[in-house]
Amino acid sequence: EAQVTQNPRYLITVTGKKLTVTCSQNMNHEYMSWYRQDPGLGLRQIYYSMNVEVTDKGDVPEGYKVSRKEKRNFPLILESPSPNQTSLYFCASSLAGGGRWNSPLHFGNGTRLTVT
Amino acid sequence: DQQVKQNSPSLSVQEGRISILNCDYTNSMFDYFLWYKKYPAEGPTFLISISSIKDKNEDGRFTVFLNKSAKHLSLHIVPSQPGDSAVYFCAASSNTGNQFYFGTGTSLTVIP
Repeated sequence: EAQVTQNPRYLITVTGKKLTVTCSQNMNHEYMSWYRQDPGLGLRQIYYSMNVEVTDKGDVPEGYKVSRKEKRNFPLILESPSPNQTSLYFCASSLAGGGRWNSPLHFGNGTRLTVT
Repeated sequence: DQQVKQNSPSLSVQEGRISILNCDYTNSMFDYFLWYKKYPAEGPTFLISISSIKDKNEDGRFTVFLNKSAKHLSLHIVPSQPGDSAVYFCAASSNTGNQFYFGTGTSLTVIP
């Protein structure tokens, strides 16, 4: 089954403790991206990747890191989490990236992160 | 600055009637528009899209209309069903950029 898989689904951590949220897709998609969803703010892009070893900042990259060493994986790293990073996070992938007709984003089921 | 806006946080419609969800955008470079549906505890799922070379795209009960001069798109659901109750996000992107921009979502409730 074609899918984007995120882990874990739920995560509670403390301020400053490094964490990684994993994301994997099995559709051979070039483009992968991370979003956070907050009440009243919708989905905001954190980072995206057009291909292996090619990453770029989205609209809210502060406090996050990503890497794209393999085509299928795109982990999100919080080196020193803070309470304002408490949010619902989504990983997504698409065949070719923004603006390409017939290349919609496919989303994972989300990771709810709480930083205390 | 929000480039894609959904000004109605919520909408309630009777089963069988039409649901109309609206979305406005500010960036005239956007040329690909999408609607996503999101149930609680799940990720958004792609519903329907439209290219800027069209003004209408239809898929079953779902139709998206695009008015480029007004920078406005709408999603029509006819007839509405209780299973359509979800949060709907509109999104936009440009073939000169690499990002998708999302609105804040509209929560649709279809009343049986």
